[in-house]
Amino acid sequence: SQELEQSPQSLIVQEGKNLTINCTSSKTLYGLYWYKQKYGEGLIFLMMLQKGGEEKSHEKITAKLDEKKQQSSLHITASQPSHAGIYLCGAFAGTASKLTFGTGTRLQVTL
Amino acid sequence: DADVTQTPRNRITKTGKRIMLECSQTKGHDRMYWYRQDPGLGLRLIYYSFDVKDINKGEISDGYSVSRQAQAKFSLSLESAIPNQTALYFCATEERGTLEQYFGPGTRLTVT
Repeated sequence: SQELEQSPQSLIVQEGKNLTINCTSSKTLYGLYWYKQKYGEGLIFLMMLQKGGEEKSHEKITAKLDEKKQQSSLHITASQPSHAGIYLCGAFAGTASKLTFGTGTRLQVTL
Repeated sequence: DADVTQTPRNRITKTGKRIMLECSQTKGHDRMYWYRQDPGLGLRLIYYSFDVKDINKGEISDGYSVSRQAQAKFSLSLESAIPNQTALYFCATEERGTLEQYFGPGTRLTVT
């Protein structure tokens, strides 16, 4: 089965600092999703990457899928308290109907 | 039998009509979700429910309502369908304490 491992598991950054979260898959990724989850809430879709080398940005968040399509990175520029939450990468395991998520990265942004 | 079922699988309706999409699960999970998926996009959360008495709006709840009739059933309604609600709708369940969501097969809705 496909496994997604994220690093770091948790991160505390000062407001205004940049940060990067990584997602590594045990298998080739055919579609990689980044989600944010606020405490106690459902998932908020951030972006989807499909092609090797693809890079997408939304506001101050940029995600990239590496050429070999087994790793993705999420980069936040000039972090703000509103960026706090749990960031999850997700992928469908082949034709299965189950969306598998990474282990999650808990982000705290301090003032 | 599938653990998460959705009915109907396909539906074509006209603008202004009321429509209900149903989701049933046999996994015994407390948490249920409704998402929509549009071409080129990932799943966007419409509503979610952590138990029968707990209903919460997601990021795109406008124009939708839900009902959690029982632990196993979670329905999504479009009170007055509009064309930009044409999409693929997924129901999902999640066991509390895990990060895995199990999805139904989806309902393809077309609003003309």
